[in-house]
Formats: sequence, structure tokens, C-alpha cells
Amino acid sequence: ETGVTQSPTHLIKTRGQQVTLRCSSQSGHNTVSWYQQALGQGPQFIFQYYREEENGRGNFPPRFSGLQFPNYSSELNVNALELDDSALYLCASSLAGGLRNEQFFGPGTRLTVL
Amino acid sequence: TQLLEQSPQFLSIQEGENLTVYCNSSSVFSSLQWYRQEPGEGPVLLVTVVTGGEVKKLKRLTFQFGDARKDSSLHITAAQPGDTGLYLCAGKEYGGATNKLIFGTGTLLAVQP
Repeated sequence: ETGVTQSPTHLIKTRGQQVTLRCSSQSGHNTVSWYQQALGQGPQFIFQYYREEENGRGNFPPRFSGLQFPNYSSELNVNALELDDSALYLCASSLAGGLRNEQFFGPGTRLTVL
Repeated sequence: TQLLEQSPQFLSIQEGENLTVYCNSSSVFSSLQWYRQEPGEGPVLLVTVVTGGEVKKLKRLTFQFGDARKDSSLHITAAQPGDTGLYLCAGKEYGGATNKLIFGTGTLLAVQP
């Protein structure tokens, strides 16, 4: 069974640029969620994708957008980067339905905005 | 608004000591997970609890879900240096429109040899 993978592992951008982060879900999972984790804090929910459509969104501006592909992999796009976007971006995969709602995380992408 | 509050925020103990981490909320959760995260890595799922009053054991770790499903605790017996890490509780709010996980503030544990 393949776990959740993310790329790249690290990324440095400047203010105003755009970035795309990628995630491959665990085999057998059909739902992908993205979280932002600032240093010293718990992860904050950005959005979730199921059946290639956004299925819930946290308190993040529209410049945060995403995609899910037929193979359940996903992308997170952030436009017009701001300094406060510097964080660890985590992707989690899960299987829709069921009471347990267990989500399994990838290693994350560390984004630094200068 | 932080729905899940964890305490303590930081804990530094000696190898062999016992400790308890608390996760509290005024909201009801339909399921609650505990994760451990090491620096620069993603959170690793330790356990999921779904029933009020449920107790689960994972070797030296004991997890309990409150009867009202608003709080949880993690107890570690005879802590070892390998237990060092950031412990996060996370839950799905009962009746929530999405399956998003709401994370706690985290407890940073350091076990000194």
C-alpha cells in the first residue's frame, strides 16, 4: 500500500508569485484535504476535494485554489503569495463516508515566501 | 475560533515518568483522532475514538474519549525519548457540513534520557 506523497518537499518564492503544490493520495482513498500549518500551531483546514469537486472550504481567500484529478491526486495553487503564506502545507487522504473520518497525512511541503 | 484546546502546551519530563495530555472543547465531536508529528514531517495517526467513554490502548499510550464526546485525554506510561514530538488532537465536529478535521493547539513533549 502506497502512502500519501507530496512534492516538492521545500520551496522558496517571493511575494506576488504563484505556486503549485502536488499530492498523491494513498491507494484506495478518494478524498483529499489540504491543511496549512504555521510554525508552532496546529494545521488549519484549507479545503477538501471529492469526486474532482471542492467539498468544503475553510477560512482562506480565493487566491487559494485546488484541483483533484481522476486518479484522486490533487494540486493546491496559491496566487499572489504573501509573507504570511509561509508555512508547512499538508495533504491528507481519506475514504469518503464512515464515522471514523480517518485522514492520513503526507510529509508536507515547506513553503517560504520572501 | 479555536474549538479544541490542548494542555499543557509544553512538557519536558525525564525518561520513565508518566504524563497526561488533555484536549477540551465546548463542541461535540463525532470522531476524534490523536496524531504525533515530528519536526518537518506530517502528522502520523495514532488512534481514532468515536464512542463516548471509549478507551483505547496502544502499548504505553492510553486514549480516552469523554462521555459527552467533547474532550479527550492521552496518557503515556513510562515515557521514553522516542515519545518526543508534537501531539495533536483533531476531530470532526458533530453535524459539521464537511469532513474537515479541526486540530487542537498541540502539546510539545520532550522526554529527556
